Amino acid sequence: EVELVESGGGLVQPGGSLRLSCAASGFSFSDYVMYWVRQAPGKGPEYVALIGTATGSAYYADSVKGRFIISRDNSKNTLFLEMGNLRTEDTAVYFCAREMHGSGRRYFDYWGQGTLVTVSS
Amino acid sequence: DIQMTQSPSSLSAYVGDRVTITCRTSQTIDIYLNWYQQKSGRAPKLLIYGTSTLQSGVPSRFSGGGSGTDFTLTISSLQPEDFATYYCQQSYTAPKTFGQGTKVEMK
Repeated sequence: EVELVESGGGLVQPGGSLRLSCAASGFSFSDYVMYWVRQAPGKGPEYVALIGTATGSAYYADSVKGRFIISRDNSKNTLFLEMGNLRTEDTAVYFCAREMHGSGRRYFDYWGQGTLVTVSS
Repeated sequence: DIQMTQSPSSLSAYVGDRVTITCRTSQTIDIYLNWYQQKSGRAPKLLIYGTSTLQSGVPSRFSGGGSGTDFTLTISSLQPEDFATYYCQQSYTAPKTFGQGTKVEMK
């Protein structure tokens, strides 16, 4: 059974840092592009970052570029998000998600339960 | 970025009603449109991908249609477990943007 479990969220002051983790199991983690998606209270989901498979190429939303770093450890089936210079507008539940693709279609077929990040003084 | 506009933002309906949610995109995305259901405090759950393909395990009362810039999610006969918020998402190009959501409430 596919499972994604996030951890590392919490309360942090503006300008602070956090490291989120997402432990994957039940599938061949290294074969999948992985995403971080966040959802602010009362808002729709928002793409944060993605990381490719073998080469680990990373891409970021403009809102987090230069402050967040996505990485993965395929030997430990774990996805990471290093979050720096946090702002109040980064407050959200952060989900990791697996991207599935087939016949040209791409979609998020599995999501973690989410971890809450609150940026406040 | 491709903008996603869902309508309505919320609706009230009875069990057994036919419900249709619309998603409009700011540019054409062919058929690369996905739908998710989210219940309070839970992660989004994939319902439909590629505009009309039902994810495994999703009841057949859910269906999707459209192409280009206009898409629909239809629930043919609303069930108690369907009261939730629904999001569309385009997978045509990065960044993969989501709609603002449609909350389906019980009348």
